[in-house]
Amino acid sequence: QKEVEQDPGPLSVPEGAIVSLNCTYSNSAFQYFMWYRQYSRKGPELLMYTYSSGNKEDGRFTAQVDKSSKYISLFIRDSQPSDSATYLCAMSAGGGGADGLTFGKGTHLIIQP
Amino acid sequence: DSGVTQTPKHLITATGQRVTLRCSPRSGDLSVYWYQQSLDQGLQFLIQYYNGEERAKGNILERFSAQQFPDLHSELNLSSLELGDSALYFCASTLGTVNYGYTFGSGTRLTVV
Repeated sequence: QKEVEQDPGPLSVPEGAIVSLNCTYSNSAFQYFMWYRQYSRKGPELLMYTYSSGNKEDGRFTAQVDKSSKYISLFIRDSQPSDSATYLCAMSAGGGGADGLTFGKGTHLIIQP
Repeated sequence: DSGVTQTPKHLITATGQRVTLRCSPRSGDLSVYWYQQSLDQGLQFLIQYYNGEERAKGNILERFSAQQFPDLHSELNLSSLELGDSALYFCASTLGTVNYGYTFGSGTRLTVV
């Protein structure tokens, strides 16, 4: 079992829909959780980060972490064609750089105009 | 432009050869991280440097090495290249030693033939 599991998709939804992206993980030591967006031929771009359990909202994006279930989610409201990209979850046990980030393989999201 | 500069953008080389990938971090950032992205493994943490010193090692092969210079740019050296080393190699930087909130470069696409 990989440490972080993420459905590769593709996930195709119409413009304006609410998108739900998810990751599960097995390492209970993970405390820092991030979502990155990666466009084709570009480097990943940080969207959200949260520490421990709870919700965090930033504009159209909401990140949720449920440590008891080892499950994290990213919600995108009012989805736009420009949101079409690969979304990567990432996590780590410490913030001090001792272990790098463990990434999911990414979900390919397509927003249909 | 993220502020993290990677060169070259593309590299094609033969098995058994050695190559050097270069990364200039965002202005003011002291930490540099190297990641490898392949279709089957996703993004894998290789190594981290902070202000010239190695801080953390991930899944980096013995054939690979890196260093960070006094001007804070970093180089990743890949030797005795194999077909399986073909991948995207990303550099990321942060101000300090925390490993979330990275800024990624656009990557170097390495093809080993």
